[in-house]
Amino acid sequence: DAGITQSPRHKVTETGTPVTLRCHQTENHRYMYWYRQDPGHGLRLIHYSYGVKDTDKGEVSDGYSVSRSKTEDFLLTLESATSSQTSVYFCAISDRLAGANEQFFGPGTRLTVL
Amino acid sequence: GEDVEQSLFLSVREGDSSVINCTYTDSSSTYLYWYKQEPGAGLQLLTYIFSNMDMKQDQRLTVLLNKKDKHLSLRIADTQTGDSAIYFCAESTSGTYKYIFGTGTRLKVLA
Repeated sequence: DAGITQSPRHKVTETGTPVTLRCHQTENHRYMYWYRQDPGHGLRLIHYSYGVKDTDKGEVSDGYSVSRSKTEDFLLTLESATSSQTSVYFCAISDRLAGANEQFFGPGTRLTVL
Repeated sequence: GEDVEQSLFLSVREGDSSVINCTYTDSSSTYLYWYKQEPGAGLQLLTYIFSNMDMKQDQRLTVLLNKKDKHLSLRIADTQTGDSAIYFCAESTSGTYKYIFGTGTRLKVLA
């Protein structure tokens, strides 16, 4: 298994509080992604990173920010959590964009916003 | 925008073949993938196919691609209870960040 960990694995928080999810990889892969998984929607890309300090928005980026200060760490922040952000969040990594781009996924973080 | 559609559920008996279908809209897709998600885990790549191929076989898995109809299928031969999971198809365009996942099909294998 690719070395990807996510923390915390479960979190319950209240509306309006800030939340930070962490993704840590030991594969030295250049590209990192944050997705959310919701029933009926599959996985949707929130933000991605193509290098240290290089990030960009995905399909559903409103209400989220990211940071990548080291190759191995990619942080997802909900500045002020809302109930619509209750979801399962997955981090993924890949080492290329050209050719077949296999993404390796972390175990996920289940976030509940009350 | 681009869309990838799958049926939500499939139930088969152990030992039968399973066929999971997927339709996509983006004609610029260069690779199409099948991922498996087991309960409480992230997705794992099962197999992929390049868009200029129409079939790929890998042990019990057969992928069929009809590029004209933008239809992708995954056949699992001799389905086992350990194959029970959610299966996602996905498409990507080589050299870009674009990676679109389908809605997922939950496969239930009955003993």
